[in-house]
Amino acid sequence: AQSVAQPEDQVNVAEGNPLTVKCTYSVSGNPYLFWYVQYPNRGLQFLLKYITGDNLVKGSYGFEAEFNKSQTSFHLKKPSALVSDSALYFCAVRETGNQGGKLIFGQGTELSVKP
Amino acid sequence: DTAVSQTPKYLVTQMGNDKSIKCEQNLGHDTMYWYKQDSKKFLKIMFSYNNKELIINETVPNRFSPKSPDKAHLNLHINSLELGDSAVYFCASSRLLRGTNEKLFFGSGTQLSVL
Repeated sequence: AQSVAQPEDQVNVAEGNPLTVKCTYSVSGNPYLFWYVQYPNRGLQFLLKYITGDNLVKGSYGFEAEFNKSQTSFHLKKPSALVSDSALYFCAVRETGNQGGKLIFGQGTELSVKP
Repeated sequence: DTAVSQTPKYLVTQMGNDKSIKCEQNLGHDTMYWYKQDSKKFLKIMFSYNNKELIINETVPNRFSPKSPDKAHLNLHINSLELGDSAVYFCASSRLLRGTNEKLFFGSGTQLSVL
């Protein structure tokens, strides 16, 4: 079965510093990986996805993610964090086969960016 | 225009009651989902419908019954509510069922509190 893990419950970063939110995955076959962000009292919003191609994927709000097949990782990054980036971030993998369409989410990482 | 809208935003009710949550999407998508987010922010899929047909039914108690009158609507009815049902319920939609690169669009959630 497909799964993703986010090893950090919380990440604290100072504004202007680079940020990384970690994600590792376990899939059989090709991985279809996503990052979503959840702001307080809101639904999840799509940030970016990796399907195939370049290992560095660029997404919304200046975020990018690096796919690393040998380390089975898909870490989310941003060169310079903003206070407004503070939110809950979810890594997800897409089920394939008969369960196509189902997104399996990691446990979430709370990002806190302080001024 | 809100792409995926769900009502009510907050629902407070007594144990044993029956309640419904409504969801509508105006994106023309074929597939809709219900996800449950528990108090630890963990997200788990409950159901998926494609063109009014039930596709995914996770191990959810049969007190939960989804209803899709048309492909733009997916409602969730819950009978005999229990304390453990307290959570935030998110509706989502995507264009295709088995499109592995399809992103999900989420509603803003319904916070259910069972007293």
